[in-house]
Amino acid sequence: AQTVTQSQPEMSVQEAETVTLSCTYDTSESDYYLFWYKQPPSRQMILVIRQEAYKQQNATENRFSVNFQKAAKSFSLKISDSQLGDAAMYFCAYRPWGSARQLTFGSGTQLTVLP
Amino acid sequence: SAVISQKPSRDICQRGTSLTIQCQVDSQVTMMFWYRQQPGQSLTLIATANQGSEATYESGFVIDKFPISRPNLTFSTLTVSNMSPEDSSIYLCSVEGLTGELFFGEGSRLTVL
Repeated sequence: AQTVTQSQPEMSVQEAETVTLSCTYDTSESDYYLFWYKQPPSRQMILVIRQEAYKQQNATENRFSVNFQKAAKSFSLKISDSQLGDAAMYFCAYRPWGSARQLTFGSGTQLTVLP
Repeated sequence: SAVISQKPSRDICQRGTSLTIQCQVDSQVTMMFWYRQQPGQSLTLIATANQGSEATYESGFVIDKFPISRPNLTFSTLTVSNMSPEDSSIYLCSVEGLTGELFFGEGSRLTVL
């Protein structure tokens, strides 16, 4: 079974600074997706960034980028120039290539942005 | 990306009653997914709803407690039956996007007294 581990229950960052959220996963699959989702207090799950395992290049979306280390099964999220609106719970998630039903979430990291 | 609307947004229910949550998608999709998020927890898949067939339930979830309907390719309902305080959670509807990601509705927050 796949597992996703987020070892940082809480993180804080000063506004305009950079923060990195950690995620590791365990799988025997070679083809899969990895995601970071953001859940603000409004509770809607918002996709932040996605990565396909076959791609060596790390995904970026504006101020959000990932450090994908396939051999180490590590998938960290870097938020640059942090903004107050970035404050939320962040979930790392994994799914194998062929099955959306097998989307597995980590336990989440609560990010606080300090003004 | 898909636009997913859920109703109700939140509700307070009495023990022993049932509540039906609706999920409407702005495009036709093959599968719809229902998740539960208990307070302070991550998301757990309840079931996968396919149009024209019975839903597929994950371990620990049964049809009698969480009946699901999927009458067409844009709509689904999840009923939480005979509720107890342990059912107090956020329930989220989800669909798969074209590039592997899942999109989520805004969630329905249920509080059972």
